[in-house]
Parts: sequence; C-alpha cells; structure tokens
Amino acid sequence: QQQVKQSPQSLIVQKGGISIINCAYENTAFDYFPWYQQFPGKGPALLIAIRPDVSEKKEGRFTISFNKSAKQFSLHIMDSQPGDSATYFCAASSPFSGAGSYQLTFGKGTKLSVIP
Amino acid sequence: EAGVTQFPSHSVIEKGQTVTLRCDPISGHDNLYWYRRVMGKEIKFLLHFVKESKQDESGMPNNRFLAERTGGTYSTLKVQPAELEDSGVYFCASSQDIGDRFYYGYTFGSGTRLTVV
Repeated sequence: QQQVKQSPQSLIVQKGGISIINCAYENTAFDYFPWYQQFPGKGPALLIAIRPDVSEKKEGRFTISFNKSAKQFSLHIMDSQPGDSATYFCAASSPFSGAGSYQLTFGKGTKLSVIP
Repeated sequence: EAGVTQFPSHSVIEKGQTVTLRCDPISGHDNLYWYRRVMGKEIKFLLHFVKESKQDESGMPNNRFLAERTGGTYSTLKVQPAELEDSGVYFCASSQDIGDRFYYGYTFGSGTRLTVV
C-alpha cells in the first residue's frame, strides 16, 4: 500500500514555464512534508518543506501548496530553468512512524526535464 | 562540512554472494538512516540508528540484511546471501537530532548502486 502517491511520473516543461508536481497522502498523522531534488549520480537533497499548519510556503522560485482537507500537496517551480532538470520526490513523515524514527515515506518520484 | 559518504558507489555481485555497503555520516550526527530505491519504485526506509543503537529496523526486508554502526560513527549494511531482488540503490542519510527534520531534513549520501546478477 503506497501511502504517498506522486504524479506525474515524468514532466517536460519549456524554459520559463511553470512545473507542477502533485502528491496525495493517506495517513492523517503525517506532520512534515518535504520535497527532495535529486540529480543523476547524487543523493536526494532537501529542497523545501512544509508543515500542515500553513497552506503555502515559498522559497525563491519554489512553492509548496498544501491542502490539508484534500490530503494533497504540490510543488510549483516558477520560471523553470534547464538546471532544474532532476528527479523530484515528495515525502512525508509522522512522529508515530516506526518507534519514533520519523522515517520518511516517499512518493515514486517525478523526472523533470526543462527544455531550452 | 563533509557530507555523507557512501562506498562503494557501484557494486555488481552474483546471486548468493555477500556484499557490504558502508556509510560515513556527517561528523556529530547521531541519527543515521538507511533507505533503498528499487528500480521504478519509491525510496523506502530500511532502518534508523541513534548513535550505535538500532532505533527502528521495521523496514529491513528479511534476515539476509544486517546493519551495524560501530561506536556510533560509520555504519555498514551487509547483504548475505544476495538475491536478485536486492538490486537497487541504497542510500544512507544522517541528521543531528530528530528536531532537525523540521528545518534541515536529512542529508543523504550519493548512494550505492547494487546490482545482483
């Protein structure tokens, strides 16, 4: 049972366009929702994160929108650039996730390609 | 600050052989995690160390996997004997303390790509 569903699987966006990646979760105990960015040959790196007490968080060109009632959250990349081409993972964790480990539950990832 | 270091970066072994993956966390990070991504699937939690103790090993797939963390520093993940379905990318991550997750998240290593043939 996949607890965090991510879509689309792949995304091609023109340079300067808006990239939108969506995630939906089931576990209402999740209280932390990070997005990770991964370049080929590298590990995932924290991009931006949100807690469910806010509906939106913006850092530069990256924005998380959070809809608690719908149990959905999304990543928006404004003015997408070729350097943004990477795989993006949404994730969630709960203080009750496994013996206090705050383990992350990841989506399957979205491969973003920004074409010039 | 040096990041999380994993080696080898790639390993190709035959079914039935043993492989040991190593992770060196960021110095001073008490929390160390192992995750795995099987091709086309999500990154999945394997286990969590706090210093040298296993806090949570609920994600370990079976008893062919053995993780250790010597003296609360580096960690090893041994797969013995390896099966075809063990192929994937194994990530290690570390964090200073649980409270960090709200502000810094984990720091992941670059991973070890394991191929079992």
